[in-house]
Parts: sequence; structure tokens; C-alpha cells
Amino acid sequence: AQKITQTQPGMFVQEKEAVTLDCTYDTSDPSYGLFWYKQPSSGEMIFLIYQGSYDQQNATEGRYSLNFQKARKSANLVISASQLGDSAMYFCAMREYRNSGNTPLVFGKGTRLSVIA
Amino acid sequence: DVKVTQSSRYLVKRTGEKVFLECVQDMDHENMFWYRQDPGLGLRLIYFSYDVKMKEKGDIPEGYSVSREKKERFSLILESASTNQTSMYLCASRAFGDRGNQPQHFGDGTRLSIL
Repeated sequence: AQKITQTQPGMFVQEKEAVTLDCTYDTSDPSYGLFWYKQPSSGEMIFLIYQGSYDQQNATEGRYSLNFQKARKSANLVISASQLGDSAMYFCAMREYRNSGNTPLVFGKGTRLSVIA
Repeated sequence: DVKVTQSSRYLVKRTGEKVFLECVQDMDHENMFWYRQDPGLGLRLIYFSYDVKMKEKGDIPEGYSVSREKKERFSLILESASTNQTSMYLCASRAFGDRGNQPQHFGDGTRLSIL
């Protein structure tokens, strides 16, 4: 069963506007972490933001914030004031902590964001 | 800064060849991972290792093997390359978790073409 679902294969946003990239996940583990990565056309994977399942507040990192709705099992990435350099693939990923340090990240299929001038 | 280095950015091999993809990390991380990335499929885990000489199968291990003789190096081996193994291969490393919030650090990827 797919654990991470990103339903938007591609999205467009106007420069300086905010955009939300959707991510839903499936797990029975009460302890887990959610991660977002950015992959520009050059190919490197850039870590953006992390949210732990027990964190009380939504994570924020500069222009990135994570809208975490635990009951709905969603972890949407919000990018404020979009810039042309935000054009990239964005991946949502999850890690279950059942084996503490050893479990790998499971990724969604990604959303390609295009920022329009 | 964590540095994960993959030996080749681009690689072209022929069907049936034995192919080695090398990955080295410089942060003494216990955990290392190999993913492949294909359009529309995201990143899929091939193998991972949580210690020297230890390995675990991921979601798509068929046709691949791995080797971890030293902590800093994790090799992916295509025993007999086939055209359906043409893909982008990404290596990652991560420190052993305590709070579990450590991200995986990725190399720049190897774009492998099997002709």
C-alpha cells in the first residue's frame, strides 16, 4: 500500500504568490517523521523541512511551512512569496520510528512546481 | 556540511555488463541508502545498510546487490545490467537516529543508461 500520496503531478504559481503542495500519508506507527525535499533540474535533493508526529506546532523554515493535520494524516508544504528559483520537483517523505534509527525514508511520487513571472 | 559523493554523474553501459555504482560519505554516518528515481514513480528504495557488512532489502532489490565493507562506502551492483535498469540512482546517508529528525543527505545522483 502506498504510504505517501502526492496527488498533484504538476502545479503553476505566479511569482510572489503563496502555493500549497499536498501530501497525505498512511501509517499505523504512532511515532513518525515527515520530511519535504526539493529537487531542482540539476538533480540534487535538498532537504527543506521536518515535522515530527508529536510536535505540537507546525514546522517553519523561512518561506517554507508545513501544515500538519495529524487526524487527517496530511502534511502539506506551504511556500510563501514564490520565487522563480522555487521551480523544481518537490517530494514528501515519511519515516516510521519503529526501529528507532534504522528505518529509511519512503517517498511520494513528487509534485513539479513551476513559478511563472 | 555533509558530503555524499557518487563516483559518476553519467554512466553508459551495455546489457549484460556488471555495473558498480560507488557512494562515499564523509560524516561517519551509520545508515546508507540506495534509491532509484524514475519519472512519475518518485524515489524507490533498492537497498539500505545500517552498519558495516549489514544490508537490508528495500522495495525493489531484484537485479541488484550491495556491498558495505567500510563505514563510509556503500556500493550498488547491477549483476547483469538490463535496459529496464536505465534510471537515475541516488545514494543517501544519515546518522543513527536518536530523536529521529535527521534528514537523509543525498549525493548528486548517477544517471545510468543501459544500451
